[in-house]
Amino acid sequence: EVQLVESGGGLVQPGGSLRLSCAASGFTVSSNYMTWVRQAPGKGLEWVSIIYSAGNTYYADSVRGRFTISRHNSKNTLYLQMNSLSAEDTAVYYCAREGILSGRRGALDIWGQGTMVTVSS
Amino acid sequence: QSALTQEASVSGTVGQKVTLSCNGDTNNIGTYAVGWYQQISHGAPKTVMFGNSLPSGIPDRFSGSKSGTTASLTISGLQPEDEADYYCSTWDYSLSAQVFGGGTKLTVL
Repeated sequence: EVQLVESGGGLVQPGGSLRLSCAASGFTVSSNYMTWVRQAPGKGLEWVSIIYSAGNTYYADSVRGRFTISRHNSKNTLYLQMNSLSAEDTAVYYCAREGILSGRRGALDIWGQGTMVTVSS
Repeated sequence: QSALTQEASVSGTVGQKVTLSCNGDTNNIGTYAVGWYQQISHGAPKTVMFGNSLPSGIPDRFSGSKSGTTASLTISGLQPEDEADYYCSTWDYSLSAQVFGGGTKLTVL
């Protein structure tokens, strides 16, 4: 079964750090475009970061320089290292796969269940 | 402000056909495949349309289309369980980012 399972969320103080994990099954993380998307309480979906199969990474302006996306190929797991956290980073964080349809990218086809990150003192 | 524009709310009665729209530009919808995601009561998003392809397990009353820089999700034969928030997204090559619409709240009357 194709599945993504996030972990690592929790309560962290402002300025602190947290690492999220996203374990994949049924497909290979390193062969796909993998993303992180977040949703603040009562708000819409916001893209955070992507790592390409080739290893290139891109970030939303709001997290660039503070967050790092990476993967561990043998563990088939995606990560998001989050540093210098602030209250504005409070959200449910989802990992998702960007699929390829007829050679065209763009849409997300597999989502995890999400992990909650709360930044508060 | 979202890069993609969706209706804030849409409503319909059971059995009715409703269409949700997602407006972008040539940097995003005009170039890439569009995804539609259903989110019920702020649970995890579920993909209900992947380009024009229906994911496994999604009822065939859901269909998708695209014309130029506008994508549409149509639900034919609306059911009570379709009440949810619906988001669209795609890649934007000028922003080098996945862009989302603000979401449409679908109410089944």
